[in-house]
Amino acid sequence: DSGVTQTPKHLITATGQRVTLRCSPRSGDLSVYWYQQSLDQGLQFLIQYYNGEERAKGNILERFSAQQFPDLHSELNLSSLELGDSALYFCASSRDRLEDEQFFGPGTRLTVL
Amino acid sequence: DQQVKQNSPSLSVQEGRISILNCDYTNSMFDYFLWYKKYPAEGPTFLISISSIKDKNEDGRFTVFLNKSAKHLSLLIVPSQPGDSAVYFCAAINNNNDMRFGAGTRLTVKP
Repeated sequence: DSGVTQTPKHLITATGQRVTLRCSPRSGDLSVYWYQQSLDQGLQFLIQYYNGEERAKGNILERFSAQQFPDLHSELNLSSLELGDSALYFCASSRDRLEDEQFFGPGTRLTVL
Repeated sequence: DQQVKQNSPSLSVQEGRISILNCDYTNSMFDYFLWYKKYPAEGPTFLISISSIKDKNEDGRFTVFLNKSAKHLSLLIVPSQPGDSAVYFCAAINNNNDMRFGAGTRLTVKP
């Protein structure tokens, strides 16, 4: 158990819809990261938040957005969903920097029909 | 745009032998490298990392070698155990906080 929780575990929705994925970091970790793992691509880093502020941006689409709240939990919002957005979405947390050991949650499997 | 490549999708070794997993990168701005292990239905787990100022880092059975001139890193697992069977991802970070992952190598350690 990494100490990082993600909800929901599974999500099935239709194209054009909007969903919100939720992540609670490990106690004491200030950084939260979001990753996408799709079948035809490996893990892709999407975005990092540190103590409520966006710190690093990876291959995140404009249709996707994230935020980190004062209690340090984070949400990833995916809108105008397309079939190709079907993937596993992982959240991870660490103390501070991207280089720090990151602890991953179990992931949310999103299926867009 | 595959800046980090793991050219072997799979690797099979005998228990007790050495597992060598390879990773190549194209962007010379990467200065920090990590290896993650992933079991099915779980999130990745951090294994070991190395900064570009070093060429070797060891942690127990795991050793990572970095060859900057060849833009190549290797992860050695010695000795390999059946519990090491998993998918291994290498990742690279540059000083612009851009992080890229390889596609992964599935390691199978046979008893």
